[in-house]
Amino acid sequence: GQNIDQPTEMTATEGAIVQINCTYQTSGFNGLFWYQQHAGEAPTFLSYNVLDGLEEKGRFSSFLSRSKGYSYLLLKELQMKDSASYLCAVRTHTGGFKTIFGAGTRLFVKA
Amino acid sequence: GAVVSQHPSWVICKSGTSVKIECRSLDFQATTMFWYRQFPKQSLMLMATSNEGSKATYEQGVEKDKFLINHASLTLSTLTVTSAHPEDSSFYICSARPGTSGSGNEQYFGPGTRLTVT
Repeated sequence: GQNIDQPTEMTATEGAIVQINCTYQTSGFNGLFWYQQHAGEAPTFLSYNVLDGLEEKGRFSSFLSRSKGYSYLLLKELQMKDSASYLCAVRTHTGGFKTIFGAGTRLFVKA
Repeated sequence: GAVVSQHPSWVICKSGTSVKIECRSLDFQATTMFWYRQFPKQSLMLMATSNEGSKATYEQGVEKDKFLINHASLTLSTLTVTSAHPEDSSFYICSARPGTSGSGNEQYFGPGTRLTVT
């Protein structure tokens, strides 16, 4: 079956760096996404990885290792507004494209 | 950027009634749209994949006779919650992927519809 694991909660300090890990077990892997979701709002796209390696986008970077079924989202120079849930999602292609979400990691940024 | 709208943004209905939620891609076409449900402090749960011009594909455990999906055009999908009950109260979010192959990298989410059944 499909399974996506990520920590439930994390706390970090403003200005610091935080790494949110995600492990997955799926069939028909076709890419991994990271989304940010503030409470009561819809998710917003952060990053997409389909090949192994690091993708950097400003303060956010995402890493993928397909052989290990592992990804992480790295947030640098944390700001208070980064307090949100971060959702790891895996797209599969088994008879059609489908994106499955992990339970999300709630990040609290403190001053 | 690509914009997805949902209507209504929130709705309160009585138990036993039906509610229709619309999802529109405003500036792009999407053969495939997705419907998710999210309970408080939980992640998004995929309910079904909506395919333009054909039947929706429902995830295991989702009642297709209760959650009716219609994808009549490349820019509109509707979800109707029939005979709603209090346990159907949730945040319903749709998303659309630009293009007609369903394989684009970015998936754009609507703002969500908060349904409360009394």
